[in-house]
Amino acid sequence: GQQLNQSPQSMFIQEGEDVSMNCTSSSIFNTWLWYKQDPGEGPVLLIALYKAGELTSNGRLTAQFGITRKDSFLNISASIPSDVGIYFCAGQPTSGTYKYIFGTGTRLKVLA
Amino acid sequence: NAGVMQNPRHLVRRRGQEARLRCSPMKGHSHVYWYRQLPEEGLKFMVYLQKENIIDESGMPKERFSAEFPKEGPSILRIQQVVRGDSAAYFCASSPDRGDYGYTFGSGTRLTVV
Repeated sequence: GQQLNQSPQSMFIQEGEDVSMNCTSSSIFNTWLWYKQDPGEGPVLLIALYKAGELTSNGRLTAQFGITRKDSFLNISASIPSDVGIYFCAGQPTSGTYKYIFGTGTRLKVLA
Repeated sequence: NAGVMQNPRHLVRRRGQEARLRCSPMKGHSHVYWYRQLPEEGLKFMVYLQKENIIDESGMPKERFSAEFPKEGPSILRIQQVVRGDSAAYFCASSPDRGDYGYTFGSGTRLTVV
């Protein structure tokens, strides 16, 4: 089945640093979503991308839908301690499909 | 405006017992999805339901698992004769449409089979 490779798997960064993570696939996706999951909670939608090349921001977060439609990246600028958590990408394989394929997550830890 | 409500938050069952997980979607949402998350893994699609209808259950194990979304009341994910491998976090999500714009997740039910 389709898989999403998310990297890095985990990262430790200093408070104030910028963070980059990405998601790649061998298949084309029509929609990319980025979620954040705090410990013991459900994923919360951060950014949704609908068109190849689209660049969207949400506060300190910026995400892009890759031109090839097979990848996406998420940047977090000036990280703060509350950015700690697991970040998941999710791709919608074909238009009108309600299923999303989730990546395995990037575990972010911020050192104050 | 309450979000997606799941209960219980934690559920412990002995092997062979039944587990019932409940999900009330957001107000105005008629589409419900169940996903399973194993430790250190991403979420895997299980089933998609609209009121009184199962639209897609392709991600659900063929035996012991069932789901419903009755006309009145919450959606229920039922696992009969649980085994240790069923231990996971089960998340429900809802959307006002077919999920083309993503959906809202609940806080999950963490099932532990002992």
